[in-house]
Amino acid sequence: NAGVTQTPKFRILKIGQSMTLQCTQDMNHNYMYWYRQDPGMGLKLIYYSVGAGITDKGEVPNGYNVSRSTTEDFPLRLELAAPSQTSVYFCASRLGTETHYGYTFGSGTRLTVV
Amino acid sequence: KNEVEQSPQNLTAQEGEFITINCSYSVGISALHWLQQHPGGGIVSLFMLSSGKKKHGRLIATINIQEKHSSLHITASHPRDSAVYICAVPNTGNQFYFGTGTSLTVIP
Repeated sequence: NAGVTQTPKFRILKIGQSMTLQCTQDMNHNYMYWYRQDPGMGLKLIYYSVGAGITDKGEVPNGYNVSRSTTEDFPLRLELAAPSQTSVYFCASRLGTETHYGYTFGSGTRLTVV
Repeated sequence: KNEVEQSPQNLTAQEGEFITINCSYSVGISALHWLQQHPGGGIVSLFMLSSGKKKHGRLIATINIQEKHSSLHITASHPRDSAVYICAVPNTGNQFYFGTGTSLTVIP
């Protein structure tokens, strides 16, 4: 049981390049999330999904896109990388939305845009 | 104003000391989560609590729903406890508000 797997762990992009951050979970969780973590700031929600085929914007969605074609996978796409997207990105999943359900987090992707 | 405020932001302790990290929130909640972020970056859930106190090893979490306050205590602290501790409360959607974290360093 791998939990939530994120790849890559580190990436350096040039301004204007594109990339996809991969996230997959093997716990059959319906709810999946992408967060970014900037120094001194709390986790900010980028996009989330409540099930296959359903996605919605979070607090900071600009510059990102997501898709959810399967329950397991929730990739995050950066189309035109900008220095403001330098951050640590976390994918997470939950079994349900009742407040007693916690998150399972991936190990994070450290992205630098230069 | 952040919905979740943590204090202190940074904490350095000697090995063996008793440590307290505080979390105050402004929203009405039914449960609160404490998370631990390791120096390598991974995040794990420590506790979910909706009332009273929970204990797991040397970690103790308490919550006072009326006062909208929770504390995380670490007894007999050890260098391996060095991490960032994050408080999170659910919002009206199906997401969470996260505190900015308390960075703990335990010195041998």
